[in-house]
Amino acid sequence: AQTVTQSQPEMSVQEAETVTLSCTYDTSENNYYLFWYKQPPSRQMILVIRQEAYKQQNATENRFSVNFQKAAKSFSLKISDSQLGDTAMYFCAFMKTNSGNTPLVFGKGTRLSVIA
Amino acid sequence: DTAVSQTPKYLVTQMGNDKSIKCEQNLGHDTMYWYKQDSKKFLKIMFSYNNKELIINETVPNRFSPKSPDKAHLNLHINSLELGDSAVYFCASLDYSGNEQFFGPGTRLTVL
Repeated sequence: AQTVTQSQPEMSVQEAETVTLSCTYDTSENNYYLFWYKQPPSRQMILVIRQEAYKQQNATENRFSVNFQKAAKSFSLKISDSQLGDTAMYFCAFMKTNSGNTPLVFGKGTRLSVIA
Repeated sequence: DTAVSQTPKYLVTQMGNDKSIKCEQNLGHDTMYWYKQDSKKFLKIMFSYNNKELIINETVPNRFSPKSPDKAHLNLHINSLELGDSAVYFCASLDYSGNEQFFGPGTRLTVL
């Protein structure tokens, strides 16, 4: 079974600064996806960024980028130029490929506060 | 234009009651899920359906019964509600490429 670990229950960052959220996972699969989801107080689950395990290049989406280390099974999220609207819970998630029904396996989340 | 919708968004009920949460997706996806987010914000899969067939049942008590009348709908019926059922329940669907799940807005269930 796959597990996802987020070791930072809470973090804070000053507005305009950079913050990195950590995630490690355990799997015996070779092909899979990794995700970061944002959950603001509205509770909507918003996909921030996705990484395909077979791609060595780290995914980026505007101010959000990942550091994917497949051998170390590490998948951290870097948020640059933090904004007040980035305040939310962030969940790291794993999903197997090669199966159309595979569910997401989530970490326990990191609560990020952006301080003005 | 909502891709995945859930009704109701809030549900407050007494212990022992039976309630249903409805989910609909207009994306034409074949696979749908129910996830539960507990009071500590932990998200965990409950069920997965593919084209109206149950694929995954993650040791959920049999008081929970998903029903899929067609592939666009996946409803969740809960019998004999207990205090521990209080949570946010999310419906999601999987796109055709199999690499992204789209979530509904969630239903906050409170059992008193």
